[in-house]
Amino acid sequence: AQSVTQLDSQVPVFEEAPVELRCNYSSSVSVYLFWYVQYPNQGLQLLLKYLSGSTLVKGINGFEAEFNKSQTSFHLRKPSVHISDTAEYFCAVSRNAGNMLTFGGGTRLMVKP
Amino acid sequence: GAGVSQSPRYKVAKRGQDVALRCDPISGHVSLFWYQQALGQGPEFLTYFQNEAQLDKSGLPSDRFFAERPEGSVSTLKIQRTQQEDSAVYLCASSPRQGSLEQYFGPGTRLTVT
Repeated sequence: AQSVTQLDSQVPVFEEAPVELRCNYSSSVSVYLFWYVQYPNQGLQLLLKYLSGSTLVKGINGFEAEFNKSQTSFHLRKPSVHISDTAEYFCAVSRNAGNMLTFGGGTRLMVKP
Repeated sequence: GAGVSQSPRYKVAKRGQDVALRCDPISGHVSLFWYQQALGQGPEFLTYFQNEAQLDKSGLPSDRFFAERPEGSVSTLKIQRTQQEDSAVYLCASSPRQGSLEQYFGPGTRLTVT
């Protein structure tokens, strides 16, 4: 079985500042890694995914994430956030392509002017 | 094109009532997933369909929960004799084919059991 831990439940940050949202996972097998964003009253939207290859993955809206196998981490970063980035962010893993996703508890990013 | 849609968006049920939640996946999508998202938590897997076949229902919390997808398109999640702990947002997601890594999520149905 796999599990996902998002270490911060809330991250307040000022507009145009950099941000890092942390995600650690545990699994006895190789997994695929994802970050989703959830805006209020909307469904989850895929930000980026790691399948294999380069450990630095770029996604939509200027976000990127780095896979670190030795630390079993997949932290999400953005060099300069906007007010519109205020949302809930979920890290997730999947054991196989087409399998269910296992999500972390989420991190609420609050961007302040 | 249209995304995944779910109805109703909000449902209030008295404890003990039965409810039915509907999911319309993206047209042609083979795979369909249901997740339950309790307040302040991440989504948790409930069940998975490939076309009309329910291949995994290991996440259904009790036998009060039942899901179907009889024609391989629209799916219904039914909860019998609702309890307060069933209050959550129920999310549906679809994927274009078996083995696809992308799941496209609907907006969810927020169920409140009073």
